[in-house]
Amino acid sequence: AQSVAQPEDQVNVAEGNPLTVKCTYSVSGNPYLFWYVQYPNRGLQFLLKYITGDNLVKGSYGFEAEFNKSQTSFHLKKPSALVSDSALYFCAVRDGRGSTLGRLYFGRGTQLTVWP
Amino acid sequence: NAGVTQTPKFQVLKTGQSMTLQCAQDMNHNSMYWYRQDPGMGLRLIYYSASEGTTDKGEVPNGYNVSRLNKREFSLRLESAAPSQTSVYFCASSPGLVSYEQYFGPGTRLTVT
Repeated sequence: AQSVAQPEDQVNVAEGNPLTVKCTYSVSGNPYLFWYVQYPNRGLQFLLKYITGDNLVKGSYGFEAEFNKSQTSFHLKKPSALVSDSALYFCAVRDGRGSTLGRLYFGRGTQLTVWP
Repeated sequence: NAGVTQTPKFQVLKTGQSMTLQCAQDMNHNSMYWYRQDPGMGLRLIYYSASEGTTDKGEVPNGYNVSRLNKREFSLRLESAAPSQTSVYFCASSPGLVSYEQYFGPGTRLTVT
């Protein structure tokens, strides 16, 4: 079965410091991996995705993520955090085959707080 | 472009009442989705429509029905609301099913008393 784990409910980091939001996944086939961000009282916004190719994926607002097949991880990173990055972050995975082809499975979310 | 729009934004229902949540997208996307978001649970897929004329169950379909009215519109119906359906509901769309990111609407906050 497909699943996503975000082991940290909260991540706190000082502005200007690097940030990492962790994600591990489980799928039966090749993974399609996504990161989304949600600001208060808003819908989710797409940040970046990994389908195939380079393991380091660059996305919106200076975020990047590294796909690690052996560790089944897809951690979100940013070299220098901003206060405006404070939000709820979701990792999601889709299996590229099988009867559940259309389903996207989300992690429970990680609340990122960047303090000045 | 408005993107994905949802109506209503807020709704309060009594147990047993019915209602339909409306969703429309103006991006000419083939696929559309309905999710619910509960605290600490992430988003869970209720139903999705790969293309006009098709619908499929997601993780938590019980108590819901959907209609893909045309390429633009995908509605979610609660026939007999229950307190367990208190949640925030999001509609999303994407060009296709697998490798494409999804675009989300602003959500409908539903309370069932």
